[in-house]
Amino acid sequence: ETGVTQTPRHLVMGMTNKKSLKCEQHLGHNAMYWYKQSAKKPLELMFVYSLEERVENNSVPSRFSPECPNSSHLFLHLHTLQPEDSALYLCASSQMRLAGGYTGELFFGEGSRLTVL
Amino acid sequence: DQQVKQNSPSLSVQEGRISILNCDYTNSMFDYFLWYKKYPAEGPTFLISISSIKDKNEDGRFTVFLNKSAKHLSLHIVPSQPGDSAVYFCAASVGGLGGATNKLIFGTGTLLAVQP
Repeated sequence: ETGVTQTPRHLVMGMTNKKSLKCEQHLGHNAMYWYKQSAKKPLELMFVYSLEERVENNSVPSRFSPECPNSSHLFLHLHTLQPEDSALYLCASSQMRLAGGYTGELFFGEGSRLTVL
Repeated sequence: DQQVKQNSPSLSVQEGRISILNCDYTNSMFDYFLWYKKYPAEGPTFLISISSIKDKNEDGRFTVFLNKSAKHLSLHIVPSQPGDSAVYFCAASVGGLGGATNKLIFGTGTLLAVQP
């Protein structure tokens, strides 16, 4: 098993559809992230879950709804998306060190390429 | 407003030569900086990092330099190899020396092409 796996790798959906992206990490990490990568833009942080609690929500529209049922799984539920939401959605995980100091290293999945028609 | 900027969208270098990728940042609170490498159809992978208490960190062919007064960092790859061809992302964070979450701010990336 690779460290962080994302499914599906490709998704095409209409604006009225409901779909979900899934992420699973096999690294024993305690923090998980959703990033969005659009063409010619920086990776944008969407959500952060630490110890299964959402600790960051970067002004993401409510049509994106994250869910973290446990420390190994992260979902991104999609509903009534717009064509401009078409992008590569990257999941990542890391080990948060509450006692201080961390490597800053995120482990990314391969991404889910989303196209909204 | 972009806090981390990579002004060169692409760079082409001959095999064996040095590749220098640049990154500028605006937030003086950033205290931890990282470089990630991304091949097509793969997620970014961590390459090298540096904390603000250092000005240089070296790992094999890869060296990162940090100039805090200029708010500038660079990644040097020497010698460059065709397998180094990828998109390189610069990233920065606040609280890297004890922060609770790895909230990274990324640049737009630079596509490096190493010609054989």
